[in-house]
Amino acid sequence: AQSVTQPDIHITVSEGASLELRCNYSYGATPYLFWYVQSPGQGLQLLLKYFSGDTLVQGIKGFEAEFKRSQSSFNLRKPSVHWSDAAEYFCAVRISGGYNKLIFGAGTRLAVHP
Amino acid sequence: GAGVSQSPSNKVTEKGKDVELRCDPISGHTALYWYRQSLGQGLEFLIYFQGNSAPDKSGLPSDRFSAERTGGSVSTLTIQRTQQEDSAVYLCASTRVQMNTEAFFGQGTRLTVV
Repeated sequence: AQSVTQPDIHITVSEGASLELRCNYSYGATPYLFWYVQSPGQGLQLLLKYFSGDTLVQGIKGFEAEFKRSQSSFNLRKPSVHWSDAAEYFCAVRISGGYNKLIFGAGTRLAVHP
Repeated sequence: GAGVSQSPSNKVTEKGKDVELRCDPISGHTALYWYRQSLGQGLEFLIYFQGNSAPDKSGLPSDRFSAERTGGSVSTLTIQRTQQEDSAVYLCASTRVQMNTEAFFGQGTRLTVV
């Protein structure tokens, strides 16, 4: 069955430090991959997406993600974290094959220390 | 409308009562998803609509849950005989049918069963 795994439930980093959030998917064909952010009291907002082409994609707020087919991964990165980045981050995969399901991982909650 | 609209934003109901949650997607978005987000949890897929059809109902937790969509637009999620474990935030998202397009989320309905 198709699935999305975010191994880290909770991550804490210091402001200014680099960040990497992990995402692994299980899906036989080429996936359509997304990262969303949910800030406290806010709805989900798209950070970036990948569906073809360059495997390193740039998103909003200084985030980027790299698609690695060999590892079935789509990890999210940011070189220098800001306090306002504290939020919950969700990786998602959209799959085809007769229907059009959008599956989310369990999320990673990011805390930022000053 | 400009975005996905969900109503009500908050609903408190007594155990055993029925509730209806409404989702108004973005105009022109043919795909519509319902998710459930329990406290501190990820997004649990409930059901997906393509137009008025629901090709994937696999995520509905029990037969107390049902959903419909009319006119390829508004969708209603109905929970009958609510239980305390139904307490959660119910999120609706809409998107164009193309696989590489992002899903836009509503602010959700926070359901509390007392």
